[in-house]
Amino acid sequence: AQSVTQLGSHVSVSEGALVLLRCNYSSSVPPYLFWYVQYPNQGLQLLLKYTSAATLVKGINGFEAEFKKSETSFHLTKPSAHMSDAAEYFCAVSDSAWAAGNKLTFGGGTRVLVKP
Amino acid sequence: NAGVTQTPKFQVLKTGQSMTLQCAQDMNHEYMSWYRQDPGMGLRLIHYSVGAGITDQGEVPNGYNVSRSTTEDFPLRLLSAAPSQTSVYFCASEGGQGGYTFGSGTRLTVV
Repeated sequence: AQSVTQLGSHVSVSEGALVLLRCNYSSSVPPYLFWYVQYPNQGLQLLLKYTSAATLVKGINGFEAEFKKSETSFHLTKPSAHMSDAAEYFCAVSDSAWAAGNKLTFGGGTRVLVKP
Repeated sequence: NAGVTQTPKFQVLKTGQSMTLQCAQDMNHEYMSWYRQDPGMGLRLIHYSVGAGITDQGEVPNGYNVSRSTTEDFPLRLLSAAPSQTSVYFCASEGGQGGYTFGSGTRLTVV
C-alpha cells in the first residue's frame, strides 16, 4: 500500500524567503509523485509531477521538486516566496502516471502562510 | 472548456436525509473519482470509475453510492446522511497523462 507523509501541517515564511515543503512516501513499486496546490475555496491544481524521467522537476509558479529515491522523498521548493503562494499544498503518490485509472494517495497537506 | 463542474457548491442536510452531488466533465476523460477532504487528513478516495458502466470502491466508500451511465457524468449519492459525512467533496477526472483535473468542490454540512 502506498502512503504519503507531509512534515508540518503549517509553514510560515517571509516574503522573498525560501519555501521548503517536505514530503516522504512509501510505495511497493516505482512511484509517480505529484504536488498539488489548493487556494482558498477552490479545487486542487497540479503544480508538478515526477514520472521517472529527470529527478529534478520544474513546475508552475517557480516551484520545483527533487525526487530522492534513497531518502524516499519528494520535497517541494521555491527560492523566493510571494504573497500569492499562500495556499495549501498536497503531495500525492501513484503507482502509475500514464494509465487512466491510477489512484492517487494524498498526504495530509501543508498550509503555507506568507508574511510581508 | 469548463473542465469539471460540481453542483451544488454548498449544502446543509439533516441527519437521515439523502441527496446527490453532481459532477460533470467535458474533457472526454474515462477516469473519474470522488474524494472527501477533511482537516489534516488530505483527500481520501470514496469511489472511482474507469469508464461508463464501471465503478469501484475507494478507501472510504461506506454511506455513498455512485453510478456512471455516461462518460461525462459521475454523481455521488448519500443514502442517509450522517454528521460524520460533513466534509468538502471533490470530483476529479483524469485523461491518462498523470494529472487530475478537480472540480471546485461541494461543502456539505450534516446537522
